[in-house]
Amino acid sequence: DARVTQTPRHKVTEMGQEVTMRCQPILGHNTVFWYRQTMMQGLELLAYFRNRAPLDDSGMPKDRFSAEMPDATLATLKIQPSEPRDSAVYFCASGLVLSGSNYEQYFGPGTRLTVT
Amino acid sequence: AQSVTQPDIHITVSEGASLELRCNYSYGATPYLFWYVQSPGQGLQLLLKYFSGDTLVQGIKGFEAEFKRSQSSFNLRKPSVHWSDAAEYFCAVGVMNRDDKIIFGKGTRLHILP
Repeated sequence: DARVTQTPRHKVTEMGQEVTMRCQPILGHNTVFWYRQTMMQGLELLAYFRNRAPLDDSGMPKDRFSAEMPDATLATLKIQPSEPRDSAVYFCASGLVLSGSNYEQYFGPGTRLTVT
Repeated sequence: AQSVTQPDIHITVSEGASLELRCNYSYGATPYLFWYVQSPGQGLQLLLKYFSGDTLVQGIKGFEAEFKRSQSSFNLRKPSVHWSDAAEYFCAVGVMNRDDKIIFGKGTRLHILP
């Protein structure tokens, strides 16, 4: 049963520290999405990739957040420096998008980040 | 731009009762429509999807949804809910060949009374 995996599942850190979250998409999927979920804002799209190329990161605070896909099996979301307002659950999702075909996104279990 | 509205933030039903969760979308063409469910502490799981064809789609866990173009709606239904259905439900819309994004609604939290 193929699944999206995310590490770590929980992270507590102090303000100003660097945080790196990792995602392993489902093998063969060509799109990866990063979302942030909070009670106030709901589910927000931060960035996404197709075939490892960043297509849209307009939802991401550029000064402190960065997203990369060093290879097809790994996507990373980095926050440097972290702030208390970054406390949220961060989800990674992957999907297979082919021209003219159907698609859906499969979500990982999330990383719960707490910044004190 | 496409958008999704879930008018009900919370819904409470008794176990065994029927359920309908509302979803309205805004888009000029036929969208791709999804319902996801999120249990506490979990990621989102796809319940069902509509891309084309039969407007009544069946999903997992006994759920179904009906696409009504005239009403721009894609409501989720279940004839008899179980306590394990308590969760948050998200409606979402996507547009193939424009970009790969799926736009999510704010969610409806379902509470089940014993």
